[in-house]
Amino acid sequence: AQTVTQSQPEMSVQEAETVTLSCTYDTSESDYYLFWYKQPPSRQMILVIRQEAYKQQNATENRFSVNFQKAAKSFSLKISDSQLGDAAMYFCGLVGGGADGLTFGKGTHLIIQP
Amino acid sequence: DTGVSQDPRHKITKRGQNVTFRCDPISEHNRLYWYRQTLGQGPEFLTYFQNEAQLEKSRLLSDRFSAERPKGSFSTLEIQRTEQGDSAMYLCASSLDSGIWTEAFFGQGTRLTVV
Repeated sequence: AQTVTQSQPEMSVQEAETVTLSCTYDTSESDYYLFWYKQPPSRQMILVIRQEAYKQQNATENRFSVNFQKAAKSFSLKISDSQLGDAAMYFCGLVGGGADGLTFGKGTHLIIQP
Repeated sequence: DTGVSQDPRHKITKRGQNVTFRCDPISEHNRLYWYRQTLGQGPEFLTYFQNEAQLEKSRLLSDRFSAERPKGSFSTLEIQRTEQGDSAMYLCASSLDSGIWTEAFFGQGTRLTVV
């Protein structure tokens, strides 16, 4: 069984500041993918960033980057220069190499203070 | 094609009634997933299809739940004899299977309220 744990139910950051969302996971798969999805209020989930477990280099997408620590099974998301549009629920997740169902954490509610 | 669409967006039903939801995936996507999301939780996997074949079902999918994807296009999720515990957001997602995981695109969901 796969599990994903997000220990921060809510985070708050000032606009233009940097925030890090935490995520730990557990899986018996040797081949898997990790990802962060964003769910704005009343809108569909959108992929923010993904990481292949076999890659050592941390993924980056513009202001979004991850800190992937495979041995520690940790996958945190860093958002730089936070913007009001970043306010949303953020879900960390995991999928096995066989690409079956995605396993999500409970989410972190990110609040951006203007 | 504007993405994954789900219908209806909201459904209120009385306990014991049957409900059916529809999902139209992105047209070239061969994988289709159903998830359930309750308040304060992340989406929980229910089932997925590869084309018209239902390949995996979660133990969350009780006998009252059935999903179909005839002809590998749209999918329906039916809940029979609804219970108050079925109240949740039901999310559909689709992706293109190319041997490795590719991005799953989500619809806006169907919010079910059982009264």
